[in-house]
Amino acid sequence: DAKTTQPPSMDCAEGRAANLPCNHSTISGNEYVYWYRQIHSQGPQYIIHGLKNNETNEMASLIITEDRKSSTLILPHATLRDTAVYYCIVRHTGGFKTIFGAGTRLFVKA
Amino acid sequence: NAGVTQTPKFRILKIGQSMTLQCAQDMNHNYMYWYRQDPGMGLKLIYYSVGAGITDKGEVPNGYNVSRSTTEDFPLRLELAAPSQTSVYFCASSYSAIGTGSGEEWEKLFFGSGTQLSVL
Repeated sequence: DAKTTQPPSMDCAEGRAANLPCNHSTISGNEYVYWYRQIHSQGPQYIIHGLKNNETNEMASLIITEDRKSSTLILPHATLRDTAVYYCIVRHTGGFKTIFGAGTRLFVKA
Repeated sequence: NAGVTQTPKFRILKIGQSMTLQCAQDMNHNYMYWYRQDPGMGLKLIYYSVGAGITDKGEVPNGYNVSRSTTEDFPLRLELAAPSQTSVYFCASSYSAIGTGSGEEWEKLFFGSGTQLSVL
């Protein structure tokens, strides 16, 4: 599975959009990009995934570059409850090992 | 649905003791996983299972054993507890589907609330 690189931490003002970047330059054609988040000491929570196209759901939007070597998770209106560690994961289809990296610790400030 | 249920939530063991961490899911998922998370670190995959009777090692399997006799249950066994096994343990199960348009399979993990284990 492709390795991902994320900044260790980011700040965001409450009510503003939070844009979390992820580099996955060695991604291959059949590997999905997934985002999970972990609030405090809870179990990680699925946010969104994508293969080639940009995706949006009730939680966030995922923007994948045309060459697929990087992506951005967008939380359109961050709240204090969005303070968490966000993990970007690249995993090939049909594989059964979801490997977590260190993630990005997002601090949403009032 | 209760989702993924882990028991116990907290446990303190003495060095050399053994114990089983329980994990059950009621979503009829075939795939199940055990992760550990040390303080301030990311999750490390210990073992996983793709169905009843089938298990395989993850990134950090040493010191642990698993079994999968039913679809619902995936217990994790520590035989000789060591201080290095002090961690938070998360169990997960996953749902997979074929992406519309892509034809490729994707997977969504559901996590339990964790078991905090201290070995002293």
